[in-house]
Amino acid sequence: DAKTTQPNSMESNEEEPVHLPCNHSTISGTDYIHWYRQLPSQGPEYVIHGLTSNVNNRMASLAIAEDRKSSTLILHRATLRDAAVYYCILRDPYSGAGSYQLTFGKGTKLSVIP
Amino acid sequence: GAGVSQTPSNKVTEKGKYVELRCDPISGHTALYWYRQSLGQGPEFLIYFQGTGAADDSGLPNDRFFAVRPEGSVSTLKIQRTERGDSAVYLCASSRPSLGATDTQYFGPGTRLTVL
Repeated sequence: DAKTTQPNSMESNEEEPVHLPCNHSTISGTDYIHWYRQLPSQGPEYVIHGLTSNVNNRMASLAIAEDRKSSTLILHRATLRDAAVYYCILRDPYSGAGSYQLTFGKGTKLSVIP
Repeated sequence: GAGVSQTPSNKVTEKGKYVELRCDPISGHTALYWYRQSLGQGPEFLIYFQGTGAADDSGLPNDRFFAVRPEGSVSTLKIQRTERGDSAVYLCASSRPSLGATDTQYFGPGTRLTVL
């Protein structure tokens, strides 16, 4: 599976936008970019995913570079509840049973300052 | 509706003992996954079930670990002869698989296993 690189930690002020970067320079043409987050003492939860075009949902936006070698998760207004570890994960639907597992790295720990 | 539930939430055992961890997936979800998370690390894949069968058990670390899902719903992760290195949070997730590996996995809160 292609590897992702994320900063270990980031800080944001409450109610300000947050841009969480992810580098995936070895991404294949069929890899989907998924983001999950894990709040303290909870299991991970799905945030958003995309293939080539930018995506928006009620939680966040995903901006994908034109060459797909990087992406950015955007939280439009950070709240204290957004303090979590954010994971950027690549999934290849053509890798058989292995396409179903999520391969987590260490993620980015986001701290939100009141 | 109800999410994924896992029992117990915490389990303390002694080295060499046998433990069972239970996962109740979201109703109707055919896919079920087990992951293990050590302190400061991201979750690591252990095993994936599609229905009753294990479609991918490549993440199980050794033959002390075994998982079943006999009726295609509840799953049990079984660990024999526990070792201190097995201490971790064991996470279960379920999903409705969609073509193209774009399924959303819904995680339970995990079982924290401590082996003394």
